[in-house]
Order: sequence, then C-alpha cells, then structure tokens
Amino acid sequence: NAGVTQTPKFQVLKTGQSMTLQCAQDMNHEYMSWYRQDPGMGLRLIHYSVGAGITDQGEVPNGYNVSRSTTEDFPLRLLSAAPSQTSVYFCASSYAFGSTDTQYFGPGTRLTVL
Amino acid sequence: GENVEQHPSTLSVQEGDSAVIKCTYSDSASNYFPWYKQELGKRPQLIIDIRSNVGEKKDQRIAVTLNKTAKHFSLHITETQPEDSAVYFCAASITGTYKYIFGTGTRLKVLA
Repeated sequence: NAGVTQTPKFQVLKTGQSMTLQCAQDMNHEYMSWYRQDPGMGLRLIHYSVGAGITDQGEVPNGYNVSRSTTEDFPLRLLSAAPSQTSVYFCASSYAFGSTDTQYFGPGTRLTVL
Repeated sequence: GENVEQHPSTLSVQEGDSAVIKCTYSDSASNYFPWYKQELGKRPQLIIDIRSNVGEKKDQRIAVTLNKTAKHFSLHITETQPEDSAVYFCAASITGTYKYIFGTGTRLKVLA
C-alpha cells in the first residue's frame, strides 16, 4: 500500500492564482480530511469528508473548496490564493472517525503565496 | 468554540529523564484523545491514543492518562532518548461532529 499520497510537495503561487492540491489513499478509508499547519498554531482542520459525496467544513474553510467523488481521492482547491494561505497542508485518512483506528497523514504540501 | 490547550510549548530534558506534556479540553463529552509525534520536516504520526472509558494506557515507554472530571489528559515519556526529540501534538474529538481539535504542540528536546 502507498498509504496517503499528496502532490505536489512544494508549490509557489502568485496572489490570485488558483490551484488544486491532490490527496489520495489506497486503504479504502471512509474518513478523509485536510489540515493546515502554521508555526505555533498546530494543525487546523479545513474540510473533511466521511465518504464519497459527503463533505463538510472544518475550523478554517474560507478560501478553500473540496469534493469527494471517489473513496480514494480528496482534492483541495484554492480558489484565489492569498499570502495568508502560505502554509504546510496535510491530508489525512482513517477507516472511521473517533475510533481507535489510526489516522494516517500524507507527507504534506508546502505552499508559498507571493 | 471548542478548544484544546497544550502545555508546555517547549520542554528540554536530560536523556534518561521523564517528560510530561499536558492538554486540557473544553468539550466535556469528547471521547477520543490521540497523541501525534512530528519530526522535523515529516508528517504527524500517531503514537498513542485513549478513549474516554479508560483512565490510562501504556505502550512501552509511552503512557497517556485521562482525567475526565478535570478535562485533561497527559502524555508521559519515560527513559527519554535523543530520538524522542520532536514536536508532540494532542487532539480531542468534538462530540456530535466529525472533527478533531489539535493542541498547539510541544517541542521536546532530549539532551544527550
């Protein structure tokens, strides 16, 4: 199993550009989520999904969209990039929520918005 | 909104000593509390977790204790080693949602 994969690893955008961060898992996990990690602020939940076709907002959803058309993929779209979105983005997945099943994180995408 | 407070933000210990990191949560009905270790430049990885019906859980040198009355839980690392140096995050599930709230992290340095 590849586990949770994310692409790209690094990205530089200009203010106002849009892009999609890719996330995929091959463990047949129902629960997937996106976090951003900023210095001194821990991990903050952006959006999550409990299965194909079902998504919802986390703590910091503004400026981001998600969709979940398949169990495997959960892309994160930045609609119009802003410098405040400079961060490290992690995708995570687990078989279920709130259980003792491990939540696995992807390797992260480091995004810089100029 | 719900939150998780984590202390201390940095912790330095001598190799072989114990380290304790504490988290306090606000949602009294939270029922799942994982701990993650993140090495520099790497992804967070689960190291131990506990459910609300258990007061303590141990895995070799790592243990987690939960006090539901006081709404806090702690990570205990005994006989620390240099490879324990990392940032540790606590988290709590939010009742009635599919969300986790994370603490702000503790940078642990184990001095050889």
